Amino acid sequence: AQSVTQLDSHVSVSEGTPVLLRCNYSSSYSPSLFWYVQHPNKGLQLLLKYTSAATLVKGINGFEAEFKKSETSFHLTKPSAHMSDAAEYFCVVSPNNAGNMLTFGGGTRLMVKP
Amino acid sequence: ETGVTQSPTHLIKTRGQQVTLRCSSQSGHNTVSWYQQALGQGPQFIFQYYREEENGRGNFPPRFSGLQFPNYSSELNVNALELDDSALYLCASSLLQGAIPNEQFFGPGTRLTVL
Repeated sequence: AQSVTQLDSHVSVSEGTPVLLRCNYSSSYSPSLFWYVQHPNKGLQLLLKYTSAATLVKGINGFEAEFKKSETSFHLTKPSAHMSDAAEYFCVVSPNNAGNMLTFGGGTRLMVKP
Repeated sequence: ETGVTQSPTHLIKTRGQQVTLRCSSQSGHNTVSWYQQALGQGPQFIFQYYREEENGRGNFPPRFSGLQFPNYSSELNVNALELDDSALYLCASSLLQGAIPNEQFFGPGTRLTVL
C-alpha cells in the first residue's frame, strides 16, 4: 500500500520569494514520485518526476524536488515565486511495480502575493 | 495542451440515473486511467485499462465500470448514481512499458453534479 501526505493545505508567499511545498510518502515498494500542478479550469500538468535515478530532480518552470529516502520526503521548491505559479499542487506516488496507478496527496494551494 | 480530450465538460444527473463519460487519449498510448476528484481533494484512482483490458482498480464499487477501444477512446460508466458521485472525473493516457510509471497526460475533466 502507498500513501502521500502533503503537510500544508495552503501556502502563501510573496512574489520573488522562495517556495517550499512539503510532501511525505509511504510505499511498500520502491516508489516513483511526481509533482503535478493544476491551474483553474485546466488539466493536471506534470512538473517533475523521480524514478530512482538522481535524487535531486529538476522540472519545468524552475521547480525542483529532492528525494530523501531516510526522511520519506519529496519536497518541492522554487527559488523565486512568480504570480503565474499560483495553483494547486499535488504530490503523487506510484510503486514501481504498479504501472501507472497513481496515489495523490490532498493538494497544496499556493497563493502568490504581489 | 495534452492532446487528451473529455466530453462532456459538465453534466447534471439525478440520483439513481446512469451516466457515461468519454475520453479520447493521445495517439499511440496504450493505457488509460480514470480518476475521481471531489471538491477540495486530490484525485482518487478508479481504474486503469491497458490494451482494452482492466488491469488495476482502486477502492470503487462495481457500479463504476469502463471500456477502452482500439481507436484510443474510452468510457467511464457509473450506474445508480449517488449524491457523493458528484465530482470532477479525469482521464489520463500514457504509454505503459514495463512496470515503471511513465508520465500520464490528463484531460481537462468532466464535472458531474448529482442532484
